Amino acid sequence: DTGVSQDPRHKITKRGQNVTFRCDPISEHNRLYWYRQTLGQGPEFLTYFQNEAQLEKSRLLSDRFSAERPKGSFSTLEIQRTEQGDSAMYLCASSSRGQGIREKLFFGSGTQLSVL
Amino acid sequence: AQSVAQPEDQVNVAEGNPLTVKCTYSVSGNPYLFWYVQYPNRGLQFLLKYITGDNLVKGSYGFEAEFNKSQTSFHLKKPSALVSDSALYFCAVRDRGSTLGRLYFGRGTQLTVWP
Repeated sequence: DTGVSQDPRHKITKRGQNVTFRCDPISEHNRLYWYRQTLGQGPEFLTYFQNEAQLEKSRLLSDRFSAERPKGSFSTLEIQRTEQGDSAMYLCASSSRGQGIREKLFFGSGTQLSVL
Repeated sequence: AQSVAQPEDQVNVAEGNPLTVKCTYSVSGNPYLFWYVQYPNRGLQFLLKYITGDNLVKGSYGFEAEFNKSQTSFHLKKPSALVSDSALYFCAVRDRGSTLGRLYFGRGTQLTVWP
């Protein structure tokens, strides 16, 4: 497999601007997850898609955040009116539906967001 | 509530020596437990998981972990460390009743193996 890819790798923006990140999961994976990781902390769950349906959202995902997965393929995460507290590494992960391997998440390298 | 504690921010060990990275967890029900490793500029990589069965779980790169229900621990071990094992290690948990893939991660332990 070609792995999970995320774009861009780095994003620097000014406070109040909107940003959008893209994630391309492993092609046959039906589940897609977004996590956020801040310096010195482990990843924190944001949201989860099964195919094109967004099935769960964390309370961390404020109204300024929106995620989509049209047609159950790639996903986008948009942050509107960015705040300095949004600065973090945004991680995407995917997993297969296969028995015995569903629990194994494959992570991308992440998008590092810096809000000035 | 679900949580993971990794009590050591850093573990240093000489190459060839055994290593242990500690993890304790808290869940309301029965746990699924995981270890992931993060190398610089790379995504987290799955090492191993405990779902059910044998308390000793073997994973990638010679790592293993032991599930201890009474101590609510899931320590990562390797009999002989390599310099290439140097990386950031994360323990993660999910309650069996919660969403598949919704993991709670610890803060991570930086493992340094010196030659």
